[in-house]
Amino acid sequence: NAGVTQTPKFRVLKTGQSMTLLCAQDMNHEYMYWYRQDPGMGLRLIHYSVGEGTTAKGEVPDGYNVSRLKKQNFLLGLESAAPSQTSVYFCASSYGRGSTDTQYFGPGTRLTVL
Amino acid sequence: GNSVTQMEGPVTLSEEAFLTINCTYTATGYPSLFWYVQYPGEGLQLLLKATKADDKGSNKGFEATYRKETTSFHLEKGSVQVSDSAVYFCALSDGNYGQNFVFGPGTRLSVLP
Repeated sequence: NAGVTQTPKFRVLKTGQSMTLLCAQDMNHEYMYWYRQDPGMGLRLIHYSVGEGTTAKGEVPDGYNVSRLKKQNFLLGLESAAPSQTSVYFCASSYGRGSTDTQYFGPGTRLTVL
Repeated sequence: GNSVTQMEGPVTLSEEAFLTINCTYTATGYPSLFWYVQYPGEGLQLLLKATKADDKGSNKGFEATYRKETTSFHLEKGSVQVSDSAVYFCALSDGNYGQNFVFGPGTRLSVLP
């Protein structure tokens, strides 16, 4: 049981390049999330999904797109990277939508945009 | 909207010292409250949680009590160890908004031998 995994762990992009971050979970969770972590700002929700084939915007969705074609995978795409997207990205998943449900996090992807 | 405020860090303590990290929140309804811990180079891990007023969450010697009257969820440990060095995040979840998790900015704790 690997939990939540993320690929890649590190990436450096030039401004304007595109890339996709992959998140996979093996806990059969319905809900998946993408966050970014910036110094002094905690975690901010980018997009989330409440089930296969669904996506929704979070607090900071601009410049990102997501897809949930399979229940176990949640992809985060950057179509045209900008230096402001330099951050650490975390994927998380949870079983249900109740306020008591724990979110389980992946190890993170450190992205630098030059 | 919902928000979480944590004490500013970094916090530096000697081994076996008493730890308190303050957390207060603003929320509509009745949120659940969480403490997550992030060790260097890793993702966040759930440390403890409380789902209703006066509940006490506890794990690995850490405790926090959900105080509705003061809208607080302070993290405490009686005797810290070097291995407790990490960043600690207070968070809330308001089920009325689906999975609307709100995290505090984090408090970095360093424990010296």
